[in-house]
Amino acid sequence: SQKIEQNSEALNIQEGKTATLTCNYTNYSPAYLQWYRQDPGRGPVFLLLIRENEKEKRKERLKVTFDTTLKQSLFHITASQPADSATYLCALDELEAGKSTFGDGTTLTVKP
Amino acid sequence: DAGITQSPRHKVTETGTPVTLRCHQTENHRYMYWYRQDPGHGLRLIHYSYGVKDTDKGEVSDGYSVSRSKTEDFLLTLESATSSQTSVYFCAISEAGGTDTQYFGPGTRLTVL
Repeated sequence: SQKIEQNSEALNIQEGKTATLTCNYTNYSPAYLQWYRQDPGRGPVFLLLIRENEKEKRKERLKVTFDTTLKQSLFHITASQPADSATYLCALDELEAGKSTFGDGTTLTVKP
Repeated sequence: DAGITQSPRHKVTETGTPVTLRCHQTENHRYMYWYRQDPGHGLRLIHYSYGVKDTDKGEVSDGYSVSRSKTEDFLLTLESATSSQTSVYFCAISEAGGTDTQYFGPGTRLTVL
């Protein structure tokens, strides 16, 4: 069966450290993988998209990697800040399905 | 929230009553989606629309219907609400559909007693 797993529901780190979130998938063949941020009481907001033929994508303090062999994406936030505290969702995009499938999310808390 | 509004933002209703949620966009995007978000289940697609009067089912469509008579409006109807439909409902839009980036509305919290 198809499955998307994001690492432990909650991740707590100290300000200034690098946060690493994982997204593992089973029985999907995504052409793209997207990461979204969701704050309490708000809808998800798009952060980054990475294609299957791209190994790494960066945007300011954010970095995403995509390993189709391991069936895994890693999402890094460097020099983390308390304002980075939120839930982060990964979404797999399969061209054949024509839609995105979301993981359950990981809640990141950055402590000052 | 990218020109997307949802109404109502909160609603409490009783089992067996009909409920309609509205999503309105000002971006003129072709694709519109309805998701529900529940603890432990993440975001799950209910229905989506790829044009006026063109809709299709998602993975959790049972008990829900949708309509889209104008580009800017996408309605989600629960014909007879049940307690299992207590959830937070999000509308999303995208320009090109498929794997295009989606922009989400603020959500509607629905409680069915």
